Amino acid sequence: DAKTTQPNSMESNEEEPVHLPCNHSTISGTDYIHWYRQLPSQGPEYVIHGLTSNVNNRMASLAIAEDRKSSTLILHRATLRDAAVYYCIPNDMRFGAGTRLTVKP
Amino acid sequence: EPEVTQTPSHQVTQMGQEVILRCVPISNHLYFYWYRQILGQKVEFLVSFYNNEISEKSEIFDDQFSVERPDGSNFTLKIRSTKLEDSAMYFCASSLDRDLGYTFGSGTRLTVV
Repeated sequence: DAKTTQPNSMESNEEEPVHLPCNHSTISGTDYIHWYRQLPSQGPEYVIHGLTSNVNNRMASLAIAEDRKSSTLILHRATLRDAAVYYCIPNDMRFGAGTRLTVKP
Repeated sequence: EPEVTQTPSHQVTQMGQEVILRCVPISNHLYFYWYRQILGQKVEFLVSFYNNEISEKSEIFDDQFSVERPDGSNFTLKIRSTKLEDSAMYFCASSLDRDLGYTFGSGTRLTVV
């Protein structure tokens, strides 16, 4: 199984960009990298996913390293509502501990 | 936007009783998952389901657990004889393709007393 490594926690100020890193050095060549988040007292929520190219959607951007051993989720302007646990997950859909993002006003 | 619907939102049951947790995935989705999350802990994979059969299951998913897609729309998780340690949030998720994003339901909070 591909293993991912994420920082336990990060802090950001409101309206500033946030870069959430993930290492996935053992990911297979055909596995997508998925990002989900879990807001307090809610179920996980899909954020974004990609294979090789950088991806953008209305929620975030995903920058994938050329060797695919790491990726970075970018929230362009953090809001208080973005405070959540962010998970980087390969195709096996197994959740790790994730990164708890705190957004300060 | 299409949703994954889970019922009930909260279920209280006596230890040793059977419970069935229900999920209605998004209608054209083909891949289905169940997860559980014990309070304060991480989201744990239980089972994945595709083409009317289990694709993978975790060590948590023992003989007490079963899944069914009885009528082509519902996707159920049954726990035959509940234990206190089965108390958790249970989440259902579905996707059109395993390489696409999954949509999660809001969960069922199971309390075993």
